[in-house]
Amino acid sequence: DIVMTQTPLSSPVTLGQPASISCRSSQSLVHSDGNTYLSWLQQRPGQPPRLLIYKISNRFSGVPDRFSGSGAGTDFTLKISRVEAEDVGVYYCMQATQFPWTFGQGTKVEIK
Amino acid sequence: QLQLQESGPGLVKPSETLSLTCTVSGGSISSSSYYWGWIRQPPGKGLEWIGSIYYSGSTYYNPSLKSRVTISVDTSKNQFSLKLSSVTAADTAVYYCASVLWWRHAFDIWGQGTMVTVSS
Repeated sequence: DIVMTQTPLSSPVTLGQPASISCRSSQSLVHSDGNTYLSWLQQRPGQPPRLLIYKISNRFSGVPDRFSGSGAGTDFTLKISRVEAEDVGVYYCMQATQFPWTFGQGTKVEIK
Repeated sequence: QLQLQESGPGLVKPSETLSLTCTVSGGSISSSSYYWGWIRQPPGKGLEWIGSIYYSGSTYYNPSLKSRVTISVDTSKNQFSLKLSSVTAADTAVYYCASVLWWRHAFDIWGQGTMVTVSS
């Protein structure tokens, strides 16, 4: 199984300041079709997860442009350019390159 | 707009079979564009992929659960279902169903989730 490791596990951020979450996979996420199936999800308190980013850097419909994804191979990053109160929650990276699909442990973003 | 809704018992006895259904609205479960999946989240913990099914009926299961899991599609009801046998307290979790557009390979639309407790 591909292990997904996120850092940090907790990120206290000041409103209006940037936040960054790292996700590292135990092996390359480049699929045989050439795509890299790394996505980011946000889970607000008491809510189901919500897709933010797919294929490393593509924002899903309705996702604000303050969210951006980058990376390649085994190292990926989610950035929030200016954290807003509604961004509080847990963020997960997920790989869908190889079965079984696996998630990172989650990173809790909270306001200082 | 695709929407998904889980349904099923909230309490299951140990050693019995957990059965959940996900009803899809706003789109056809027979669409060749989608995979359909189940994910679970134990209280206070992270997400675990259980398995996925393609419109053709092809299934993919997490090896950690494979011997106990069955996912199937009912095209006449526009639903897909999850059966997890021989449950224990470790299977207590919120269970989510979600869709995957084949070219995205990401869970794009999620149900609200349903809490299932395993207890006698």
